[in-house]
Amino acid sequence: QSVLTQPPSVSGAPGQRVTISCTGSSSNIGAGYDVHWYQQLPGTAPKLLIYDNNNRPSGVPDRFSGSKSGTSASLAITGLQAEDEADYYCQSSDSSLSGWVFGGGTKLTVL
Amino acid sequence: EVQMVESGGGLVQPGGSLRLSCAASGFTFSSYEMNWVRQAPGKGLEWVSYISSSGSTIYYADSVKGRFTISRDNAKNSLYLQMNSLRAEDTAVYYCARTYNWDHDAFDIWGQGTMVTVSS
Repeated sequence: QSVLTQPPSVSGAPGQRVTISCTGSSSNIGAGYDVHWYQQLPGTAPKLLIYDNNNRPSGVPDRFSGSKSGTSASLAITGLQAEDEADYYCQSSDSSLSGWVFGGGTKLTVL
Repeated sequence: EVQMVESGGGLVQPGGSLRLSCAASGFTFSSYEMNWVRQAPGKGLEWVSYISSSGSTIYYADSVKGRFTISRDNAKNSLYLQMNSLRAEDTAVYYCARTYNWDHDAFDIWGQGTMVTVSS
């Protein structure tokens, strides 16, 4: 059971928009800690996709965006492409655990 | 090129020990906070441990506290994870990950990972 809750899977057709939610609590997202998102392609290491809720590192397409409100955060992907098929993880800090926590991960399938 | 390469994984019996290493290059290693993150087969990511740039501040996940020890050698641009009293549930790919900077705690650079299998 992960501290941050994500849907196990989402899917969408090419060109569509999908969102992935990440629900936390008052000790992590709700406490004001930033949320980060990672993309993990099959058989590879995770890659930073969004940092500090809504910032994209250099090289990440603007099709990817993040938002945060209250105890939850969301990752949105527009103009879905076949290469976006991957696992996506949210991450935040947690004051009760004195460390960092990840969501359980969401598998994105491009139909 | 900024990169990190883990090594030291392998097969170990329950109760055994293993030392993982992470060699960093392409950036000023001594200026960055570092982490270990693991991923059990078919499972999600789990943060394991953190160490500050100087090594003076260290944190562990409850699941490894008292059994694992993180350390670094800034002169050798290397990060380590000493793992003792290993259990079957420690079986995972172990990644070293760099903290973006002092103001942003995202993990911006990851190694390729090293597999640790705990089994008799």
